[in-house]
Amino acid sequence: AQSVTQLGSHVSVSEGALVLLRCNYSSSVPPYLFWYVQYPNQGLQLLLKYTTGATLVKGINGFEAEFKKSETSFHLTKPSAHMSDAAEYFCAALKTSYDKVIFGPGTSLSVIP
Amino acid sequence: DTEVTQTPKHLVMGMTNKKSLKCEQHMGHRAMYWYKQKAKKPPELMFVYSYEKLSINESVPSRFSPECPNSSLLNLHLHALQPEDSALYLCASSQGGVTAGRTQYFGPGTRLTVL
Repeated sequence: AQSVTQLGSHVSVSEGALVLLRCNYSSSVPPYLFWYVQYPNQGLQLLLKYTTGATLVKGINGFEAEFKKSETSFHLTKPSAHMSDAAEYFCAALKTSYDKVIFGPGTSLSVIP
Repeated sequence: DTEVTQTPKHLVMGMTNKKSLKCEQHMGHRAMYWYKQKAKKPPELMFVYSYEKLSINESVPSRFSPECPNSSLLNLHLHALQPEDSALYLCASSQGGVTAGRTQYFGPGTRLTVL
């Protein structure tokens, strides 16, 4: 069965430091991959997605992610953390022939002033 | 515009009440979804409607009853809920069909409390 794992349920970074949130998927067929962000008491907002083509994907708010098929990874990065980046981040995968999105368990990002 | 709207924003109901959650999108999407999310957990899929027909029911108890009156509107009817049903209920929509990406766009959610 397809699954998505996120290393680290909680990550803390200093303001201005690099943000790295890890995501790995297990699938014999590379799925479509997504990163969503959720601020407290809000819905999920799409940060970026990988479908086909370029493996380095740029998203909103300065985030980007790189799809590495050999490592079955889709890690999310941002060069410089901002206080407003503090939120819950979910990595997700979608099988191309099925409508069901598989979510990772989530990573809570804290930004320390 | 990638907006999905949900009403109400908050809902408090007793175990004997009947209430409904509403979701609307005007992006021409043909797939709509209901998710349940508990605190500090990822969303759990409940139902999927594709072209206004129920295509996935994730073994949800019958006290939750979905309805898709048209391609823009999705309802979730609630009856005889339990306190453990208290959660954030999220609606999402996507283009549907075999379209590259089929990205799901989420609404802000309805915070449901069952007393």
